[in-house]
Amino acid sequence: DSGVTQTPKHLITATGQRVTLRCSPRSGDLSVYWYQQSLDQGLQFLIQYYNGEERAKGNILERFSAQQFPDLHSELNLSSLELGDSALYFCASSQEGRGTQYFGPGTRLLVL
Amino acid sequence: QQQVKQSPQSLIVQKGGISIINCAYENTAFDYFPWYQQFPGKGPALLIAIRPDVSEKKEGRFTISFNKSAKQFSLHIMDSQPGDSATYFCAASSSKAAGNKLTFGGGTRVLVKP
Repeated sequence: DSGVTQTPKHLITATGQRVTLRCSPRSGDLSVYWYQQSLDQGLQFLIQYYNGEERAKGNILERFSAQQFPDLHSELNLSSLELGDSALYFCASSQEGRGTQYFGPGTRLLVL
Repeated sequence: QQQVKQSPQSLIVQKGGISIINCAYENTAFDYFPWYQQFPGKGPALLIAIRPDVSEKKEGRFTISFNKSAKQFSLHIMDSQPGDSATYFCAASSSKAAGNKLTFGGGTRVLVKP
């Protein structure tokens, strides 16, 4: 157990809908990362937050947004969902803005 | 642009054998190279990591070899066990870049036969 928690574990929704994925980092970790894992694209970095501020951005779609709250938990919002958004979404955390990243168990999203 | 290329995509090894997974990178700014192990239904877990100031790092049965001039690094799993059956990902990041994003290889599915 990495200490990173993610909810929900599974999510099934329809195209065009909006969902929110939640992540709680390890105790004491200030940085949160979001990654998408799909069969064709592998593990792709989406976005990083450090102590509430956006630190780095990857190939995150405009339909996706994220934020990190004062209690350091983070949410990833996915809107206008398409079939191709079906994937595993992982959250990771690290103590500082750099350093070892510890991954959560992931949220499996299925868009029908 | 795939900045970290990983091979093979899959491999089968007998119990007690050696599993070897190779990765090559393009970005010379990369200076941190971790390996992650992922079991089905779980998130990636850090296995071992290396920085380019050393050519080899060993932790138990797992060894990373690093060749800076060739821009390649590899994971060796010695005395492979059925419990090692998992997908392994190499990754890389740069301390010079904004943030701390990991760029992952495509993954290698390892099956250890008893």
